[in-house]
Amino acid sequence: DQQVKQNSPSLSVQEGRISILNCDYTNSMFDYFLWYKKYPAEGPTFLISISSIKDKNEDGRFTVFLNKSAKHLSLHIVPSQPGDSAVYFCAATHSGTYKYIFGTGTRLKVLA
Amino acid sequence: DVKVTQSSRYLVKRTGEKVFLECVQDMDHENMFWYRQDPGLGLRLIYFSYDVKMKEKGDIPEGYSVSREKKERFSLILESASTNQTSMYLCASSFISRGRRPQYSNQPQHFGDGTRLSIL
Repeated sequence: DQQVKQNSPSLSVQEGRISILNCDYTNSMFDYFLWYKKYPAEGPTFLISISSIKDKNEDGRFTVFLNKSAKHLSLHIVPSQPGDSAVYFCAATHSGTYKYIFGTGTRLKVLA
Repeated sequence: DVKVTQSSRYLVKRTGEKVFLECVQDMDHENMFWYRQDPGLGLRLIYFSYDVKMKEKGDIPEGYSVSREKKERFSLILESASTNQTSMYLCASSFISRGRRPQYSNQPQHFGDGTRLSIL
């Protein structure tokens, strides 16, 4: 049972445009969500997070939106740059556990 | 900056061998984790540890064991390596939140660069 799903395995976007990566979850207990970026031959790097008490968190070009009723979160990258080309994982957890459940990842390619 | 170091980037071993993967973090984090990453399956938790000598099974512990003798070091052991354990192995660490955890104090995990293990 996959509690965190990233249904798009890949996404291509033109440089300068917006990239939108999506993530759905099924466990209503999740209350903290994170996005990680992973380059080939490197470990995932933490990008941005959001608590369930918020519906939006912004950090520079990166914004994460949370829609609790739809159990959906998205990562917006504006403007997209070629250096953003990587695999993006969303992850979720909840109070009382140290487990983080990861999605399967979306490979973003930003075209110059 | 947090530094999580995995001892080997690439490792090739034979079926039946006992394999040790080492991970060291330098930020005095209580929590340490071992994941494996496989195409189409994302990151799956093998084991985690929340203190020295303390460990808990993750989602796929079969065929693995762990050791945490010192706070900064977390070792993953493949007792008798098999070909289905060929994978990318990732170690991570994070701070722990004691007692009731307010939602805003959750801590992201910091990852090492991974060990690509091939079992022949």
